[in-house]
Amino acid sequence: GQNIDQPTEMTATEGAIVQINCTYQTSGFNGLFWYQQHAGEAPTFLSYNVLDGLEEKGRFSSFLSRSKGYSYLLLKELQMKDSASYLCAVRDLGGFQKLVFGTGTRLLVSP
Amino acid sequence: DADVTQTPRNRITKTGKRIMLECSQTKGHDRMYWYRQDPGLGLRLIYYSFDVKDINKGEISDGYSVSRQAQAKFSLSLESAIPNQTALYFCATSGRDRGFIDTDTQYFGPGTRLTVL
Repeated sequence: GQNIDQPTEMTATEGAIVQINCTYQTSGFNGLFWYQQHAGEAPTFLSYNVLDGLEEKGRFSSFLSRSKGYSYLLLKELQMKDSASYLCAVRDLGGFQKLVFGTGTRLLVSP
Repeated sequence: DADVTQTPRNRITKTGKRIMLECSQTKGHDRMYWYRQDPGLGLRLIYYSFDVKDINKGEISDGYSVSRQAQAKFSLSLESAIPNQTALYFCATSGRDRGFIDTDTQYFGPGTRLTVL
């Protein structure tokens, strides 16, 4: 099975940097995804990591350490519109590579 | 135009009624999924389909059924709705994206908010 842990809620200030952590325990691993979800809206894809290291995409970066079962999403130059939930999802190995989602981290950005 | 659409976007119904939620996609993906989202529980997989002839149960399929009418259409039915099926329902699709790495990323529709009274 899979277990994914992320903090329930975080707060940060506009212009700052925030790091959202995700730890996972899996019987198999074939990639980790980060999604952004504004309240009542669809999750939207942010990043994908399958190899160790940092993937950078503009203001957002995602890091993976497979040996530690650990990932983080780094958001720089925070904007008010970044207030949302951030979902960590791990893809299982096997015939059907299902995604298992964490419960999400709600980020509140204040002025 | 949105790549993944869901209808209806909102629905209020009564206990015991049959409800169908529809999903269509123009992404050309072969894989489609239905999830429900409840506060504090995250997204949970109800059913998934790899192609028109392939339907599989997810972790919470009891009380639900699905139909894959075409590659682009995947419907979720609640045969006899009950209040604890009140939730936000999402359809998602995935397939081989262009690029070097096959990530099989899932893309979500806008969701259907279902309330069962």
